[in-house]
Amino acid sequence: GESVGLHLPTLSVQEGDNSIINCAYSNSASDYFIWYKQESGKGPQFIIDIRSNMDKRQGQRVTVLLNKTVKHLSLQIAATQPGDSAVYFCAENRSGNQFYFGTGTSLTVIP
Amino acid sequence: GAVVSQHPSWVICKSGTSVKIECRSLDFQATTMFWYRQFPKQSLMLMATSNEGSKATYEQGVEKDKFLINHASLTLSTLTVTSAHPEDSSFYICSARDPSGLAGAWETQYFGPGTRLLVL
Repeated sequence: GESVGLHLPTLSVQEGDNSIINCAYSNSASDYFIWYKQESGKGPQFIIDIRSNMDKRQGQRVTVLLNKTVKHLSLQIAATQPGDSAVYFCAENRSGNQFYFGTGTSLTVIP
Repeated sequence: GAVVSQHPSWVICKSGTSVKIECRSLDFQATTMFWYRQFPKQSLMLMATSNEGSKATYEQGVEKDKFLINHASLTLSTLTVTSAHPEDSSFYICSARDPSGLAGAWETQYFGPGTRLLVL
């Protein structure tokens, strides 16, 4: 039968290559963003964050880019490893404490 | 880093029963906790904001009488799914802010491991 519902976008990369995961957010007033990694059956795990007064932030093997003009975030993972295989979500802080999550991207690293 | 736990991790119940899920911040005090719901291969959807000592704030479309939230202490919030039905089967995840910022950026939310609910 035919399945109905949302399906996560997928990205497959070779081990050792760089990965770029994109996210569009909806609210121009959002001032803080987080990238999370979620492995199957587990809660989201913090990767990196960025405030709206920045356009780039680097962590260990990861870089987040923020383009407020087009309301776009990206997560770059350098030298992708099999352990990076997971679903990646961006989350935006619109006001106060609430965070709203993007659709998510499923990353598969091919050994 | 900050640790958030959930209990139980798995629950299977019969239709019509109520299920309580606990969310605890283990090494920090959380004045605000959040409850999310996640269906398979979908994103997390914010259900409600749980405020210590006051009523929870529910997102549009979430039935407050169906999903009862209690935040009685600075380290514990509970979500009770009342009269659960099969369509309530989902992965429920809580998160907490560390307002002191001692565990990291103060805005960052720390997530629990999730509770998978299956209603038969």
